[in-house]
Amino acid sequence: KAGVTQTPRYLIKTRGQQVTLSCSPISGHRSVSWYQQTPGQGLQFLFEYFSETQRNKGNFPGRFSGRQFSNSRSEMNVSTLELGDSALYLCASRPWERDSYNEQFFGPGTRLTVL
Amino acid sequence: AQTVTQSQPEMSVQEAETVTLSCTYDTSESNYYLFWYKQPPSRQMILVIRQEAYKQQNATENRFSVNFQKAAKSFSLKISDSQLGDTAMYFCAFMKTNTGTASKLTFGTGTRLQVTL
Repeated sequence: KAGVTQTPRYLIKTRGQQVTLSCSPISGHRSVSWYQQTPGQGLQFLFEYFSETQRNKGNFPGRFSGRQFSNSRSEMNVSTLELGDSALYLCASRPWERDSYNEQFFGPGTRLTVL
Repeated sequence: AQTVTQSQPEMSVQEAETVTLSCTYDTSESNYYLFWYKQPPSRQMILVIRQEAYKQQNATENRFSVNFQKAAKSFSLKISDSQLGDTAMYFCAFMKTNTGTASKLTFGTGTRLQVTL
C-alpha cells in the first residue's frame, strides 16, 4: 500500500495570502488528522476528520480550517497568513475501527514558509 | 488536559551502546496509550513503540523497549545496540483513546538523539 501523501512538499507564501494543503490517506483509512510542527510550539494537534465531518479540534484560530472529501482525502486551509504560521504541517491517517487499536501513519509533511 | 514532558533536549550515544530517553506525563485518565515516535532528518514521523496503560508488561520492539511506571507517570525509552540510523528526534506522545472515536496525540517537546561512531 502507498503511504500517506501530502502535496505540495514545500510552499512559500507572503503574509496575508491564503494557502491550501492536501493530504491523501492510506487506502482504506477513513480518518485524517492534521498537526502543526514549529520550533517554538512543537507538535500541536489541529483537527481530525472522519466521514467528511470534523471530529476533534485543537486550539487554533478560525483562520485554520479543513475539510474531508468522500474519498477520505483531506485539505486544510489557512487564511490571512501570518509569519508565525511558518511550520511543517503533518497529516496522519488511521483506519477508524471501533474497539480496536488504530495506528496513525504520518505523511512526510508540507513545509510552509511565510515571508 | 494532558501534558507530556521530555526533559532532555539533546542526547548523544556511541554506536553499539545503550541510551535511555526520559518522558513524564500528566493525566487524570485511567485508560490511555503512550507512544514513542521517531522523526529522522527526512521528517517522516515513524512509530517506534506503543504501550497500553492497562498493560503492566513493558512493551518491546527489537532493540527498543520501554519502562512504563504508571503510578509515577513515567515512560522512558531504552535503545539497545544503538545504530547510526537511530539518529533522529524522538517524541513521546499520549493518546486518551484510539478505538474509533475522535482522539488526538499530545506530544512532548522531543529529544534529539545523535549516534556517533
